Amino acid sequence: DTAVSQTPKYLVTQMGNDKSIKCEQNLGHDTMYWYKQDSKKFLKIMFSYNNKELIINETVPNRFSPKSPDKAHLNLHINSLELGDSAVYFCASSQAEVYEQYFGPGTRLTVT
Amino acid sequence: AQSVTQLGSHVSVSEGALVLLRCNYSSSVPPYLFWYVQYPNQGLQLLLKYTSAATLVKGINGFEAEFKKSETSFHLTKPSAHMSDAAEYFCAVTALNNAGNNRKLIWGLGTSLAVNP
Repeated sequence: DTAVSQTPKYLVTQMGNDKSIKCEQNLGHDTMYWYKQDSKKFLKIMFSYNNKELIINETVPNRFSPKSPDKAHLNLHINSLELGDSAVYFCASSQAEVYEQYFGPGTRLTVT
Repeated sequence: AQSVTQLGSHVSVSEGALVLLRCNYSSSVPPYLFWYVQYPNQGLQLLLKYTSAATLVKGINGFEAEFKKSETSFHLTKPSAHMSDAAEYFCAVTALNNAGNNRKLIWGLGTSLAVNP
């Protein structure tokens, strides 16, 4: 059973396109996250949702819009993709106030 | 300022040698500390965590870490390296978010561990 899953695993697209990445967790956690990992492995939190409510929104361009239809799902929509958006995007989840996070396998986004 | 510093972006050891990966932190709240491992083309996996209980924490795969408040450190060790330990290792600490009303994890830049035969 996959605890945190993401689709797609790879995404290749052209500049200016709009794309979405989906994330689902079956751990019963109430907090979910999106991270961006660049080519140097630097890990940066983008968003966090707790029970479908946005609780962390770091300095991220507003081309990035998270959506949480329920507490088991957190999707990431990206408008007008740019070359600098190329990275691996990780979804993670945790139980609130516990902070131990469980990560998905990542989505490698390549913008050409 | 809240931060995590991992000293040494690349560490190389021989198989069977001691592994020591360094992590120093600064946090405006009492910290919870974590070490994660990332194998190539995979997500991050929790190795161990400190959450204000015992200061010497044992994790998976023979790793352990000691929380030293006076030194603001949480170094990761393993007595004998194995080839399968080659991976990227990340230290993380809880910190306040930008608005100051919630906690988040902040991450070190990672240490790439190479294990030589």
